[in-house]
Amino acid sequence: GDSVTQMEGPVTLSEEAFLTINCTYTATGYPSLFWYVQYPGEGLQLLLKATKADDKGSNKGFEATYRKETTSFHLEKGSVQVSDSAVYFCALFNTNAGKSTFGDGTTLTVKP
Amino acid sequence: DSGVTQTPKHLITATGQRVTLRCSPRSGDLSVYWYQQSLDQGLQFLIQYYNGEERAKGNILERFSAQQFPDLHSELNLSSLELGDSALYFCASSRDLSGANVLTFGAGSRLTVL
Repeated sequence: GDSVTQMEGPVTLSEEAFLTINCTYTATGYPSLFWYVQYPGEGLQLLLKATKADDKGSNKGFEATYRKETTSFHLEKGSVQVSDSAVYFCALFNTNAGKSTFGDGTTLTVKP
Repeated sequence: DSGVTQTPKHLITATGQRVTLRCSPRSGDLSVYWYQQSLDQGLQFLIQYYNGEERAKGNILERFSAQQFPDLHSELNLSSLELGDSALYFCASSRDLSGANVLTFGAGSRLTVL
């Protein structure tokens, strides 16, 4: 079946540091890929998405590129802020199965 | 406000009891998903409905059941509750089953079993 593997957390960075959270996937066909973010005490919300190979999703300074050859969708941000502290989930949607699969989440803490 | 409404926000009950969690999807969304989030197991997919029909099943226990009604709201029933069922239960909805399927999550229902 489909699976998503994320970099284990927690990740702790200083403000303005560079962020990378690794995500790789296994799926049949050509899934769509997503990053969701969960701020403390809230539900998950979409951060960015990419629906086909080589697409780059971007939002709020975060970026991720759909790499079919490496089955990866790594999340990056050039300069993190304290307000970016949250749990980040990588996910895929398998159109054939009509099903979403989430990674385990990576907790990011940004210190001033 | 995401547009997905979950009730109740918090629920405390005892082992052996039965509870019902309710979800109203975002207006226009036909698909509803239920997830369980606990500290030790991350986000676990339970079940999905699309336009009233069960679409996919994940790691849902036999003690749990769900349904989606004609008005598209959904209920998750948890019975014979155990301490390990304490978790955050999220409902999410999506427009359809297309490739750019974005899930919109509710704020969750926190269940505590004592």
